[in-house]
Amino acid sequence: AQKVTQAQTEISVVEKEDVTLDCVYETRDTTYYLFWYKQPPSGELVFLIRRNSFDEQNEISGRYSWNFQKSTSSFNFTITASQVVDSAVYFCALSESGTYKYIFGTGTRLKVLA
Amino acid sequence: NAGVMQNPRHLVRRRGQEARLRCSPMKGHSHVYWYRQLPEEGLKFMVYLQKENIIDESGMPKERFSAEFPKEGPSILRIQQVVRGDSAAYFCASSPREEQYFGPGTRLTVT
Repeated sequence: AQKVTQAQTEISVVEKEDVTLDCVYETRDTTYYLFWYKQPPSGELVFLIRRNSFDEQNEISGRYSWNFQKSTSSFNFTITASQVVDSAVYFCALSESGTYKYIFGTGTRLKVLA
Repeated sequence: NAGVMQNPRHLVRRRGQEARLRCSPMKGHSHVYWYRQLPEEGLKFMVYLQKENIIDESGMPKERFSAEFPKEGPSILRIQQVVRGDSAAYFCASSPREEQYFGPGTRLTVT
């Protein structure tokens, strides 16, 4: 069965600190996609990244980086030098190839304090 | 190319009324998905539609909820006789094939 676990319900950091958001997934499929979305207080979903199961290279985009490890079924997200504008709820999601349902985790609320 | 459009963005209904949520997919997209986000929770799949067809409604509550995606016009998610537990954010996504693009959501409040 598909499942996404975001064990951290809420994290608070002080501005400029680095923070890592954890995501652990379960799937029986060998081909799947992983996603991260940001949901700011305004409520919309902002797409951050899509990664397929065959690409285990870590990715960096500005202050954001992602660590994909199939051995531990994890797809963690790190924000370097956090800023107040990073305050939001972050969702990890999974989709198996050939299906259309995105399975979302319960989200991690990140509060960055000035 | 405009993104996925949803309206209204905010909807307030009294218990027992009907709620109609609209979703206009991105141009060229023929697949529409609806998700519901209850307060403090992640999004959960409700229904998948293609033009004039419901492909999978396994996530839809059995009663009061229905969805359509007509040949012309937006996809509609209809909730009849709303109850307080229906208060949530409803997101629509569209896709040409697999990757889904999400709309801004409709926040339904039932008073």
